[in-house]
Amino acid sequence: SAVISQKPSRDICQRGTSLTIQCQVDSQVTMMFWYRQQPGQSLTLIATANQGSEATYESGFVIDKFPISRPNLTFSTLTVSNMSPEDSSIYLCSVEIGSTGAYEQYFGPGTRLTVT
Amino acid sequence: AQSVTQLGSHVSVSEGALVLLRCNYSSSVPPYLFWYVQYPNQGLQLLLKYTSAATLVKGINGFEAEFKKSETSFHLTKPSAHMSDAAEYFCAVRGGNQFYFGTGTSLTVIP
Repeated sequence: SAVISQKPSRDICQRGTSLTIQCQVDSQVTMMFWYRQQPGQSLTLIATANQGSEATYESGFVIDKFPISRPNLTFSTLTVSNMSPEDSSIYLCSVEIGSTGAYEQYFGPGTRLTVT
Repeated sequence: AQSVTQLGSHVSVSEGALVLLRCNYSSSVPPYLFWYVQYPNQGLQLLLKYTSAATLVKGINGFEAEFKKSETSFHLTKPSAHMSDAAEYFCAVRGGNQFYFGTGTSLTVIP
């Protein structure tokens, strides 16, 4: 298993500003993921962040808007840039642990972002 | 491509009654299926997972799910609902290097 912490747990930001969310894992993991969960909706994958390589973004998400860092095997950051009210969401980081046939994904508690 | 469909965005049951949350999957390969629970203002917690070892999977908090290939289903059940079961439940399938989540089912438990 893995224990994941995120900072901040919540924030209220003004439009046009940027917020960096931190994700810390208690063990070394190769794959980390960033999700967005808009109010009342399911999870949407933003990007996959592997240590030592550029993050891979899903359709509809771009690096300029959501830059990601992955400096080591236990830490990652997601920045939400030039925020607008539409960016108000819960942002979740997760890690995948296991091998073929035994994968599990563990989630952080989330960062609740409100943009005014 | 892999995907999951959760039937019923809201389910209400009485305390002590059977809980049944439905999930159907689509997968071109043997699927790895999961159920997660999200309590208010919290992240997702793994309830149980299917990885082809056994079709009936037991998870935490008394939940279980049965993999039925003929029906492409992986429904979540609990014999007797408890007030603390009120939460959002997500079915997910792993495909490629990522997980695909259903739209979620909100479970309400009526006292």
